[in-house]
Amino acid sequence: EAQVTQNPRYLITVTGKKLTVTCSQNMNHEYMSWYRQDPGLGLRQIYYSMNVEVTDKGDVPEGYKVSRKEKRNFPLILESPSPNQTSLYFCASSWEDGYNEQFFGPGTRLTVL
Amino acid sequence: GENVEQHPSTLSVQEGDSAVIKCTYSDSASNYFPWYKQELGKRPQLIIDIRSNVGEKKDQRIAVTLNKTAKHFSLHITETQPEDSAVYFCAASINGNNRLAFGKGNQVVVIP
Repeated sequence: EAQVTQNPRYLITVTGKKLTVTCSQNMNHEYMSWYRQDPGLGLRQIYYSMNVEVTDKGDVPEGYKVSRKEKRNFPLILESPSPNQTSLYFCASSWEDGYNEQFFGPGTRLTVL
Repeated sequence: GENVEQHPSTLSVQEGDSAVIKCTYSDSASNYFPWYKQELGKRPQLIIDIRSNVGEKKDQRIAVTLNKTAKHFSLHITETQPEDSAVYFCAASINGNNRLAFGKGNQVVVIP
């Protein structure tokens, strides 16, 4: 089954404790992206990647890191999480670039205390 | 950069009536305009998209219209059903860097 998976689905952590949210897709998509969703603010892009070893900042990259060592995986790293990073996070992938249908993962709800 | 706005933020309709959500965008170079539907607790999913070389596209009860001169595009849902209740996001391409700018979303409530 073609899909985008994220882990963990739910996470409660404390300020400053490094964490990684994994994202994996099995559709051989070149383009992958991370968004955060907050009430009243819609979907805001954190980072995106056009292909392996090619990543770039979105609209709200501060406090986040990403890597794209393999085509299928695009982990989101929070080196020192803070309460303002409490949010619902979505990974997405698509062919070539964001101008094709983006397939979203199930989401990761993160709470930073 | 691209700025996408959606109106109204919340829309309630009687089952069977039509719903229309309008989005405006700021970058005249944008050429791709998708609509995503997000049901409660679920992921956003593409329901329809349109590119700038056409003015309208239909898929069963859903249609999207694009007015490039006025820089707005609209989602039309006819014969609404309770399962149409969701948050709908519009987006516009950000020319030159392969990204989308999303609107803040519209909550559509279909009243049985």
